[in-house]
Amino acid sequence: QVQLQESGPGLVKPSETLSLTCAVSGYSISSGYYWGWIRQPPGKGLEWIGSIYHSGSTYYNPSLKSRVTISVDTSKNQFSLKLSSVTAADTAVYYCAREGYDILTGGWFDPWGQGTLVTVSS
Amino acid sequence: EIVLTQSPGTLSLSPGERATLSCRASQSVSSSYLAWYQQKPGQAPRLLIYGASSRATGIPDRFSGSGSGTDFTLTISRLEPEDFAVYYCQQYGSSPPPMYTFGQGTKLEIK
Repeated sequence: QVQLQESGPGLVKPSETLSLTCAVSGYSISSGYYWGWIRQPPGKGLEWIGSIYHSGSTYYNPSLKSRVTISVDTSKNQFSLKLSSVTAADTAVYYCAREGYDILTGGWFDPWGQGTLVTVSS
Repeated sequence: EIVLTQSPGTLSLSPGERATLSCRASQSVSSSYLAWYQQKPGQAPRLLIYGASSRATGIPDRFSGSGSGTDFTLTISRLEPEDFAVYYCQQYGSSPPPMYTFGQGTKLEIK
């Protein structure tokens, strides 16, 4: 059973860089799939941030691309998110998830981590 | 970028009733690349439907998805108490680079 767990600071100061890690258990990242980050501001909807393959190939939401870096560490079976120059608008629950894909059905996210709240405040 | 609009914003129904949730896209969704998720308070979203109509593993058959092009529907045939939650649709855009967008959600509440 695949499980994902996010970790990282719960409080980040404005203009600094948000850094989160997603540890994967029950499945080797090197075996395949893309792995993604999605966020949800308090009381609001979901926003996809970006995704990465075990090879390191990435693609990002154009609205965040200039500030986002996603990387993978297959030796630790985890992948990471960095979001630079954060503001209060980046306050959200951040989720990591495995990205499924099939040419007939497209892409989707399953399973998800439990999420971690990151607050941007001085 | 494809924008997904879900309606209604809130749906008030009783257990045992049938729920019909709508997701409309601003332009045609490639090859029915549409998914549905359920989210309960304090929990992560759970995948229900992918490819517009394929149920995810372990999802009860009272959940069904349909539609193509710009209009998609999630139907819950007979509501159980545990079905009251927020539901999101999500589309996958395959034009390079790939892109995901979500609808704003429909809250299904007990009447």
